[in-house]
Amino acid sequence: ILNVEQSPQSLHVQEGDSTNFTCSFPSSNFYALHWYRWETAKSPEALFVMTLNGDEKKKGRISATLNTKEGYSYLYIKGSQPEDSATYLCAFTTSNTCNQFYFGTGTSLTVIP
Amino acid sequence: DGGITQSPKYLFRKEGQNVTLSCEQNLNHDAMYWYRQDPGQGLRLIYYSQIVNDFQKGDIAEGYSVSREKKESFPLTVTSAQKNPTAFYLCASSTGGTERISNQPQHFGDGTRLSIL
Repeated sequence: ILNVEQSPQSLHVQEGDSTNFTCSFPSSNFYALHWYRWETAKSPEALFVMTLNGDEKKKGRISATLNTKEGYSYLYIKGSQPEDSATYLCAFTTSNTCNQFYFGTGTSLTVIP
Repeated sequence: DGGITQSPKYLFRKEGQNVTLSCEQNLNHDAMYWYRQDPGQGLRLIYYSQIVNDFQKGDIAEGYSVSREKKESFPLTVTSAQKNPTAFYLCASSTGGTERISNQPQHFGDGTRLSIL
């Protein structure tokens, strides 16, 4: 089982603050990196899938970057809003383990109004 | 509305009993997955299926069984051989079929929480 680490484990920010968190994964045999948002009492929702080193994706106030050589991805939220409160999961797949997904434990974000 | 439906939301299992968790999707997705979540751990893959009548083991398949007789349905049976079944179970689906599916975003159900009586 490959290890995917997310940091910090939890984060509290004030409304309007910008924030970011990290997903670290093994850099060898990289295939794809996924980000999901999981709000309480709902199902996880796909945010981004990134496959190329240097990829940057953006969806509204949320963006993500990918560095496959050093094995990390950053998720940024600009001007956090209370509705951004959720757990953000990343998942990593490799080129040599077929279609196995390896999830991190998530970063729990709370945005305080 | 297209989506994934998991049932029941809560399930209780007696010692030595098999129980089946239902997962149905109307997204016309070829691939379906089952994950398990335990406190303090990330989602762990139990089984996945890329097409009908085919499925593959994930990292923690022992004590579980699945079937994929229809595209829409991927039920998970937790057998009595699974000694620690108490967990939250999530089903997901994605496009892909016989193509590589690990770069396709997954759509998740709301989950089933299984407990032991």
